[in-house]
Amino acid sequence: LAKTTQPISMDSYEGQEVNITCSHNNIATNDYITWYQQFPSQGPRFIIQGYKTKVTNEVASLFIPADRKSSTLSLPRVSLSDTAVYYCLVVPSGYSSASKIIFGSGTRLSIRP
Amino acid sequence: KAGVTQTPRYLIKTRGQQVTLSCSPISGHRSVSWYQQTPGQGLQFLFEYFSETQRNKGNFPGRFSGRQFSNSRSEMNVSTLELGDSALYLCASSGGTGSDYGYTFGSGTRLTVV
Repeated sequence: LAKTTQPISMDSYEGQEVNITCSHNNIATNDYITWYQQFPSQGPRFIIQGYKTKVTNEVASLFIPADRKSSTLSLPRVSLSDTAVYYCLVVPSGYSSASKIIFGSGTRLSIRP
Repeated sequence: KAGVTQTPRYLIKTRGQQVTLSCSPISGHRSVSWYQQTPGQGLQFLFEYFSETQRNKGNFPGRFSGRQFSNSRSEMNVSTLELGDSALYLCASSGGTGSDYGYTFGSGTRLTVV
């Protein structure tokens, strides 16, 4: 299982773009990069998933360089409601036991007015 | 479609008691997995059920057990509660097969042991 490393915490201000980088040096060929968001006393919520290059949805963008050893979650124009913990996960493609869904410590993002 | 439903949302129990938590997966999902989340240990995998069979189990003592019913609803039980069992217990469901492997989490049950 590929281990991920991401900053413990980040601060930003409303209206700014926030980029959270995750390192996953041992990512395997069939692994996908997945990001979850978690608010206090709630379950993690899927944000975005990608394999290579760039993926964008209505919430965020995910940038993955060619070597796939890192990825960057980009949140455009954040608001106070984006204050949460963000988890970067490396997940094998196809069926994967929930035991292989490893949540690290995550990045605690704090947005200020 | 309705999300993953966990009941109850909050629970306070005394040391030595037992507790049962319930999880109703997304309609059509056959896989249910359980996690324990604490500030010190983060999210830790407890076990996973698929079609009423336990498919995987995490590194937790035998006091933690679970089961899944024919309608895919799942329960987990913790016997002889300890103070350290205080945590947010999360349930996630997925299709469990083929390409439908994405996990959707419920809001959790906050268990406090006093």
